[in-house]
Amino acid sequence: GESVGLHLPTLSVQEGDNSIINCAYSNSASDYFIWYKQESGKGPQFIIDIRSNMDKRQGQRVTVLLNKTVKHLSLQIAATQPGDSAVYFCAETSYTGGFKTIFGAGTRLFVKA
Amino acid sequence: GAVVSQHPSRVICKSGTSVKIECRSLDFQATTMFWYRQFPKQSLMLMATSNEGSKATYEQGVEKDKFLINHASLTLSTLTVTSAHPEDSSFYICSARRQGTNEQYFGPGTRLTVT
Repeated sequence: GESVGLHLPTLSVQEGDNSIINCAYSNSASDYFIWYKQESGKGPQFIIDIRSNMDKRQGQRVTVLLNKTVKHLSLQIAATQPGDSAVYFCAETSYTGGFKTIFGAGTRLFVKA
Repeated sequence: GAVVSQHPSRVICKSGTSVKIECRSLDFQATTMFWYRQFPKQSLMLMATSNEGSKATYEQGVEKDKFLINHASLTLSTLTVTSAHPEDSSFYICSARRQGTNEQYFGPGTRLTVT
């Protein structure tokens, strides 16, 4: 079936460095892609999204890149802070057959002080 | 704005009993709500899509008679886990799609433990 997956299950970075979290997806018909942050025991928190007809979108300290040729999505976090430590999920939303959001496997980000 | 709440946040029940989890959109109307389940160290798995005033749509492999969903108003959806067993212990998360938009907001989750 369709799936959204991640290359790296765990990422450890030094405080102040940039972080890059990657994701591969298989449903080329998805309408947009989203990155969520989840802290322990909490629900997912929206970070940034990107429409399928775009290849880059920037937010505050975060950038999402979409490469449709290789079906790859990445989240870049600039100047990573201890508060960024969490699990990050990519997700894809499609409207075909009804609005639906499917989540990828997740990457745990550790930020070392 | 755009807050989604869940109640209870934690619940412990005995095997064989039923438990109801509520999902509310506090400051917006949601024609569609979604229920996810998350096991430890795993991703969120979509269980079902709940549409106001109609029957829920369940994902493949999810037992509709075990996980009863009711979406009686534009701000409330409930998930009832019937005849719960220890393997139903999980983190249940709902989300709500704001009416007329593609915006989706997630609740804080409900930790269910079945003993």
